[in-house]
Amino acid sequence: AQSVTQLDSHVSVSEGTPVLLRCNYSSSYSPSLFWYVQHPNKGLQLLLKYTSAATLVKGINGFEAEFKKSETSFHLTKPSAHMSDAAEYFCVVTRNSGGSNYKLTFGKGTLLTVNP
Amino acid sequence: GAGVSQTPSNKVTEKGKYVELRCDPISGHTALYWYRQSLGQGPEFLIYFQGTGAADDSGLPNDRFFAVRPEGSVSTLKIQRTERGDSAVYLCASSPRLAPYNEQFFGPGTRLTVL
Repeated sequence: AQSVTQLDSHVSVSEGTPVLLRCNYSSSYSPSLFWYVQHPNKGLQLLLKYTSAATLVKGINGFEAEFKKSETSFHLTKPSAHMSDAAEYFCVVTRNSGGSNYKLTFGKGTLLTVNP
Repeated sequence: GAGVSQTPSNKVTEKGKYVELRCDPISGHTALYWYRQSLGQGPEFLIYFQGTGAADDSGLPNDRFFAVRPEGSVSTLKIQRTERGDSAVYLCASSPRLAPYNEQFFGPGTRLTVL
């Protein structure tokens, strides 16, 4: 079994300030972890993924996340927010290997608002 | 190149009616997934195809829901006797092969409203 908890349903930041979106996971298996972003009326887009290689993962648009097994966390960060970062962000877990269906388990999402 | 496409983008129907939702995956992608996203929630897994066969349909909520992928490309999600609780955005995703670290590419979704 696997699950994801996104600790904040809504995060509001000012443009140019750091972004932190928090995610904790639970998995019976060795996990692969992802962050997806969903802009209004757009499809889900992959930001970054962790697949048991480097624990610090860099993604698109300046985002990065760090896998911390001891804390079962995979928080998403960005040093400086842009207006275009305003969107819904989903933390996602799946099993890393040994399965036959790598279905994604999503958190409930964090809505990021960026204020001018 | 073309991404995953879904039709229709919006579907309004009456309770008790039958609906079909279509997904065109990225050409060459063998794995295809359906998810459902209710208001204020993250997407939830419904069914997964590897090629033509439904390899895992454990996420389908009940026997009113059925999906097919007869030629290993286009997939159709079918809902019989629709209920108001079926209202949601239905998302389709495809990936090039079966592996956890292969990105799933999502379509824009079909917003289903059952009146």
